[in-house]
Amino acid sequence: RKEVEQDPGPFNVPEGATVAFNCTYSNSASQSFFWYRQDCRKEPKLLMSVYSSGNEDGRFTAQLNRASQYISLLIRDSKLSDSATYLCVDVNNNDMRFGAGTRLTVKP
Amino acid sequence: NAGVTQTPKFRVLKTGQSMTLLCAQDMNHEYMYWYRQDPGMGLRLIHYSVGEGTTAKGEVPDGYNVSRLKKQNFLLGLESAAPSQTSVYFCASSAYSINQPQHFGDGTRLSIL
Repeated sequence: RKEVEQDPGPFNVPEGATVAFNCTYSNSASQSFFWYRQDCRKEPKLLMSVYSSGNEDGRFTAQLNRASQYISLLIRDSKLSDSATYLCVDVNNNDMRFGAGTRLTVKP
Repeated sequence: NAGVTQTPKFRVLKTGQSMTLLCAQDMNHEYMYWYRQDPGMGLRLIHYSVGEGTTAKGEVPDGYNVSRLKKQNFLLGLESAAPSQTSVYFCASSAYSINQPQHFGDGTRLSIL
């Protein structure tokens, strides 16, 4: 049973577009959530932590919806350099699960 | 700053051979992790450590052993490699809790023939 699910994509968007990804999780007791970015054949790198109140970092906004058990990532004004795979993570005590990732390609 | 360093970067083994992957971090982090990443399956936690001298099983521990004799090092061992262990292995660390962001090494590509 997958505990963290993401739409694998790929999402192909033009530069300047706004794109949003969702990630659903099954454990209602999960405590912490993160978004990581992974470029092809590279290691994951932290993009954002996801706070209950939602948080924003420049063009990126993360939201948590506990009632529906999903987190979201919104990217505004997409850049070519945003092309990557985006991984969501949920953490509960010492159990941590990564989603399989959503692939984004931003085209000129 | 080196951060998290993994060695080797690439390795090809024959079925039944053994090897050890080394992870070293210079951030004085308490927690360290070993993952494997396979196409379409995302990262899966193999083993982790909450401090020097401790280890614990993750989601997919079978066929692997780990040791954390020094705080900065976390070793992953394959005693008898199998083709199903062909994967990309990532090591990561976090400061003092699993609820904190993790810093990843750049991975080890392992092929078992």
